[in-house]
Amino acid sequence: LAKTTQPISMDSYEGQEVNITCSHNNIATNDYITWYQQFPSQGPRFIIQGYKTKVTNEVASLFIPADRKSSTLSLPRVSLSDTAVYYCLVGDIADTGRRALTFGSGTRLQVQP
Amino acid sequence: DVKVTQSSRYLVKRTGEKVFLECVQDMDHENMFWYRQDPGLGLRLIYFSYDVKMKEKGDIPEGYSVSREKKERFSLILESASTNQTSMYLCASSFPGLAGEDGELFFGEGSRLTVL
Repeated sequence: LAKTTQPISMDSYEGQEVNITCSHNNIATNDYITWYQQFPSQGPRFIIQGYKTKVTNEVASLFIPADRKSSTLSLPRVSLSDTAVYYCLVGDIADTGRRALTFGSGTRLQVQP
Repeated sequence: DVKVTQSSRYLVKRTGEKVFLECVQDMDHENMFWYRQDPGLGLRLIYFSYDVKMKEKGDIPEGYSVSREKKERFSLILESASTNQTSMYLCASSFPGLAGEDGELFFGEGSRLTVL
């Protein structure tokens, strides 16, 4: 079962900042939050990962509040090439105690010119 | 450059056929995963493996089995294909993460299976 909730879709325009929020109320103490991006006919690719507060890389920023029950992926000044599906993941514990990653349905971001 | 290779990009099979989907990674990753992706449902985990000859069920293992005889290869098997298994299948691999930190997943390009 997916442990995350994201908006199904979002629309934006080139040059705007886009914030996608993910809810994960049952996040476990050891879970990290990871975001992936997927273009049509390709496998997802890693964007950013964090545990708490703020993480920034050359592509995006990830904001995580103190209670860690949600997170926000921030894409600065999007372009048409950022049109994709974005997935928020948290670690999942399988029955044997091993870890596996569960994807939700993702957020489809459409960037308009 | 990291590489996850899936044997077939497109397959068409008939109901009842046995189907093998092969995945090979060249990064010496311990972890390997099989997902299927369907419109509106995102990616759903079928099986995963943390070591050679080891397998764990994911969220939707029914109708599937897997094999991991070598570290670099993870095979998904449909013993008797059915039309509801028509889907995009994605293989991924990763190193095990540090405490609580999930290793980055590297995905193949996918195998689109149609069962008639």
